[in-house]
Amino acid sequence: EVQVVESGGDLVQPGGSLRLSCAASGFTYSGYWMFWVRQAPGQGLEWLASVNEDGSAQFYVDSVKGRFTISKDNANISLYLQMNSLRAEDTAVYYCVGGLSWGQGTQVTVSS
Amino acid sequence: EIVLTQSPGTLSLSPGERATLSCRASQNIDRNFLAWHQQKPGQAPRLVISGASNRATGIPDRFSGSGSGTDFTLTISRLQPEDFAVYYCHQYSTYHYSFGQGTRLEI
Repeated sequence: EVQVVESGGDLVQPGGSLRLSCAASGFTYSGYWMFWVRQAPGQGLEWLASVNEDGSAQFYVDSVKGRFTISKDNANISLYLQMNSLRAEDTAVYYCVGGLSWGQGTQVTVSS
Repeated sequence: EIVLTQSPGTLSLSPGERATLSCRASQNIDRNFLAWHQQKPGQAPRLVISGASNRATGIPDRFSGSGSGTDFTLTISRLQPEDFAVYYCHQYSTYHYSFGQGTRLEI
């Protein structure tokens, strides 16, 4: 069974940084693209970033480009999202997705 | 960027009825890389359909997906109480993925 588990969500001040992690199991991790999606309170789903199978190529939505960095560690079967220069509008539940299977999400709140 | 437009925004039906949800893309979706995800209140989304028509593991056969190119449909043949949720279409055919705005399926 495919399992994806996020961690690292927290309350952070505007301008601060946070690193989200995602542990995956139950599928051939190195053979899949992975991506992050977020959902602001009461809103729909927003794709944020994707990384290819071997981690060599990354793609971002314009609103996070230059602030967020996605990375994939195949040796440790982990995915990361480094988030810098956080803004209030980044407040959301962040989901890791692999093999089109979703984690349970981790809450990020940006507030002073 | 491919923009996905879902219709209707809200669909009000009763258990036992048939639901038809639409997803239209602003440009062709290659290889039918179109998925449908279900989200219930307070829960993470769950994959229902991938590749436009392939049911995910554990999804009952009352769910079916169809379509190609720019027009896709999710059909639920006989609604059960547990099917009432928000459904999102999602394209993963380009490097920049995108989601539709969702269709709320309510009783």
